[in-house]
Amino acid sequence: KAGVTQTPRYLIKTRGQQVTLSCSPISGHRSVSWYQQTPGQGLQFLFEYFSETQRNKGNFPGRFSGRQFSNSRSEMNVSTLELGDSALYLCASSLTGSSTEAFFGQGTRLTVV
Amino acid sequence: QKEVEQNSGPLSVPEGAIASLNCTYSDRGSQSFFWYRQYSGKSPELIMFIYSNGDKEDGRFTAQLNKASQYVSLLIRDSQPSDSATYLCAAPQDTGKLIFGQGTTLQVKP
Repeated sequence: KAGVTQTPRYLIKTRGQQVTLSCSPISGHRSVSWYQQTPGQGLQFLFEYFSETQRNKGNFPGRFSGRQFSNSRSEMNVSTLELGDSALYLCASSLTGSSTEAFFGQGTRLTVV
Repeated sequence: QKEVEQNSGPLSVPEGAIASLNCTYSDRGSQSFFWYRQYSGKSPELIMFIYSNGDKEDGRFTAQLNKASQYVSLLIRDSQPSDSATYLCAAPQDTGKLIFGQGTTLQVKP
């Protein structure tokens, strides 16, 4: 059974640019959550999608956005990149998103220079 | 603000010993908890989840939940150097959202 697939694994971008990250959940899982992980802040919740609808959103600026497609794949977009956006971005896949086990992808390491 | 608290460590134990990792949480309504293991440079891996008061065992791992004390722990028996990692405690807060502790770094010394 395939796990959660995130692409790309690594990205280097320049301040002001935008970036799109992709996440393919485990087959049959309909919930995809996104997290940002930094050494200082730990794992911080960005947003969650279920059946193409954003159900929950964390405390991040509007530069962070996402969407989910009918096949449950999800994308996350960050516009006008700032140095502080450098982090490991993780997506988590779960069946329903409601207290069910969540499985993480390998993450995308974003470096903003 | 609902919180999950962990001692950042590092917690150092000799090989073969029992490692005890602890987590406290502020939300009395929390019903389930998850333990993730994260190796340096890797993504978190789900190793245990617990929904009920008491103990849950899976191989060398035992999760313990005490809802009255708002306390959850993870015991690792016969610790191995390969267990050296950061252990994250997490609780669901809202739909699709997990609140994570800062993680405890475990070092198992040969």
